[in-house]
Amino acid sequence: GEDVEQSLFLSVREGDSSVINCTYTDSSSTYLYWYKQEPGAGLQLLTYIFSNMDMKQDQRLTVLLNKKDKHLSLRIADTQTGDSAIYFCAEASGGYNKLIFGAGTRLAVHP
Amino acid sequence: NAGVTQTPKFQVLKTGQSMTLQCAQDMNHEYMSWYRQDPGMGLRLIHYSVGAGITDQGEVPNGYNVSRSTTEDFPLRLELAAPSQTSVYFCASKSGGVADTQYFGPGTRLTVL
Repeated sequence: GEDVEQSLFLSVREGDSSVINCTYTDSSSTYLYWYKQEPGAGLQLLTYIFSNMDMKQDQRLTVLLNKKDKHLSLRIADTQTGDSAIYFCAEASGGYNKLIFGAGTRLAVHP
Repeated sequence: NAGVTQTPKFQVLKTGQSMTLQCAQDMNHEYMSWYRQDPGMGLRLIHYSVGAGITDQGEVPNGYNVSRSTTEDFPLRLELAAPSQTSVYFCASKSGGVADTQYFGPGTRLTVL
C-alpha cells in the first residue's frame, strides 16, 4: 500500500537553511503536499507540487521533487524561531481526496 | 467565515461510553474527512464524504461511524469507546478538484480511560 516516510527530528540554528526530506511509494501520486502543525493547532497547508514539476519556490520555501527516486524535500531559507513546528509530507491517493501522511518531522530552531 | 470548527476541544470518556465529535464548515465544501493523529504515526484517514448523503471508509474506520445529512456538518460517532481510540481527531474539508487545499479544524483531544 501507500507509505510516506520522514525523519522525525531536525534541529537548526536560526538564520540557517532547513531541509526536511520525505520519501513516498505511490508512483501514481499526482500531488504532494507539505503541511505545518504548530503546537495545539490543526494542520496548515504550506505548499504543494504537481508531479510533473521538479521544483517549486514560494518565498522562503523551496520544494524539490525527484519522481524517479520518489523523494520530496522542503527547504526553508533563513529559518526563524517561528518556523519551529512539525512538518508533514503527504501524497494524494485515490482521486485526490485521500491524503496519506508521513509521521511528521519536528523542526527545532535554536538561537 | 469561521472555516472548519470542531467541538469539543477536549474530552475524557470511560471505556464503553459513546459520544459524537462535531465538525462543521461554512465554506460550502463538498468534501469532508476525519483523521486521527497518534504519536509517531502522522494522520490516518478514518472516514470521508464527497457530498451530503455520501460517506466512505478510510484507512482506519473500525469503531467509528459517520453521517452527512447536510453539506455543513460531518459528525464522527464512537459507539463503544476503547482506550485504543485515545487520540487527537482532526476534521478537514475541501471544495473538490485536483489541487484544492484541505482545511483542517483545530482538533479534538480524546482520552478513553
